[in-house]
Amino acid sequence: IVLTQSPDTLALSPGERATLSCRASQSVSSSYLAWYQQKPGQAPRLLIYGASSRATGIPDRFSGSGSGTDFTLSISRLEPEDFAVYYCQQFGSSLLTFGGGTKVEIK
Amino acid sequence: QVQLVQSGAEVKKPGASVKVSCKASGYTFTDYYIHWVRQAPGQGLEWMGWINANSGGTKYAQKFQGRVTVTRDTSISTAYMELSRLKSDDTAMYFCAKYGSGSYDYWGQGTLVTVSS
Repeated sequence: IVLTQSPDTLALSPGERATLSCRASQSVSSSYLAWYQQKPGQAPRLLIYGASSRATGIPDRFSGSGSGTDFTLSISRLEPEDFAVYYCQQFGSSLLTFGGGTKVEIK
Repeated sequence: QVQLVQSGAEVKKPGASVKVSCKASGYTFTDYYIHWVRQAPGQGLEWMGWINANSGGTKYAQKFQGRVTVTRDTSISTAYMELSRLKSDDTAMYFCAKYGSGSYDYWGQGTLVTVSS
C-alpha cells in the first residue's frame, strides 16, 4: 500500500489551522493508521493512532480523522513547537509503509 | 519508564556488514514486536522489518530481503538488526521502535550508520 501525503510543504503562521492529508492506494484499516511528528535530530513521536486516538500526552489541538483511503491530521491552532515534519503510517498484511511526509513551516 | 537504547554510530566500508542493537527496558520485552526503520539524510522514513520478540518470527520489506537479518536475545531484552553488503546509499539513521496498538509508541534514539570508502 502506497501512502501519498499532501501538501509536501505547508507554510502557516502560529495560531493558524493546519490540515494535512494522507491518501492510501487501497483501503487501510483505521485501526492501523497512525501519525507521527518529527523534529530535526530527533526520533519521530507518535501523535495519533487508530486514525483518531491521541497518544499519551498529545495536546487536544491535534486531531485525526478519516477512513478507507483518505485520512487527515488537523492542528487547530499552531504553536511554535508544532513546526516540524509529519508522517502518516499504515500496517497491513504484516507490512508497513510510511507516507513521504509533510513539512509544516513558519510563514 | 519504557526505553529503547541503541548502540553507537558506525562507519563501514562498502561491502561490509553492520549490526545495530536495541536494548529495551520498562516493559515485558516478549509481549511486543520490535520494528526497524531507517532514514537517509534529508529523506523520509523507510520501514525495514520486524521481529516478534516472543517467537522470534520475522518479516522484512521486499527491498531488504536477503540483506537484512533481525534477531533478538530475550535474556537481555535486546533486538539486533544486521545489514550486509553495505552500499553508500545505506548511509542513514537507523531506528528501532516498539510496536503496540497499531503504531510505534516508543522509539530508540537512532544509530547513524555511515558507509564510505
